[in-house]
Amino acid sequence: GENVEQHPSTLSVQEGDSAVIKCTYSDSASNYFPWYKQELGKRPQLIIDIRSNVGEKKDQRIAVTLNKTAKHFSLHITETQPEDSAVYFCAATSNQAGTALIFGKGTTLSVSS
Amino acid sequence: ETGVTQSPTHLIKTRGQQVTLRCSSQSGHNTVSWYQQALGQGPQFIFQYYREEENGRGNFPPRFSGLQFPNYSSELNVNALELDDSALYLCASSLKSGDTDTQYFGPGTRLTVL
Repeated sequence: GENVEQHPSTLSVQEGDSAVIKCTYSDSASNYFPWYKQELGKRPQLIIDIRSNVGEKKDQRIAVTLNKTAKHFSLHITETQPEDSAVYFCAATSNQAGTALIFGKGTTLSVSS
Repeated sequence: ETGVTQSPTHLIKTRGQQVTLRCSSQSGHNTVSWYQQALGQGPQFIFQYYREEENGRGNFPPRFSGLQFPNYSSELNVNALELDDSALYLCASSLKSGDTDTQYFGPGTRLTVL
């Protein structure tokens, strides 16, 4: 089945800096890659997603890139703000089980002002 | 915020007991997926329900079972609770269309097994 690896597990940046989180996946048939932000005690919130027919997608300060050949995708956050501090999860579809999302273990992002 | 709701918010059970968790999907959605999130980990897929039928299952034992109702709400039942079942249980609703669906999560039920 699908396996998703996420790095780094923790990331500390200064306000205004950029942050990059990287994920790799194992199933070449996976075709949908969402990113979720989870604040302490809250639900995972979808922040951006990308499908396999697109190489890059941007939404204001957030962008995601996908390299299907290398089977990796990355989240880029520019001009970070303290409210960006949270745990970020990448995920990929598993074609063996409907549209189950297979998640990475998460990256704790801390933005200090 | 999404329109996905879950009940109860918190639950404390003892080992061996049974528990039922509930999820109301977002209006217009027809699919519910359940995930278990242990502390400090990413959500793990339990199973998915589409049009009242199980539509995929993760690596969880049969004592984890579910239902979906005609209004697309769903229940997760866990029998013979074990200490390791302590976790945040999340449901996510989506509208099945094509190969992949965008999933929106509810706030979760925090289950503690003593």
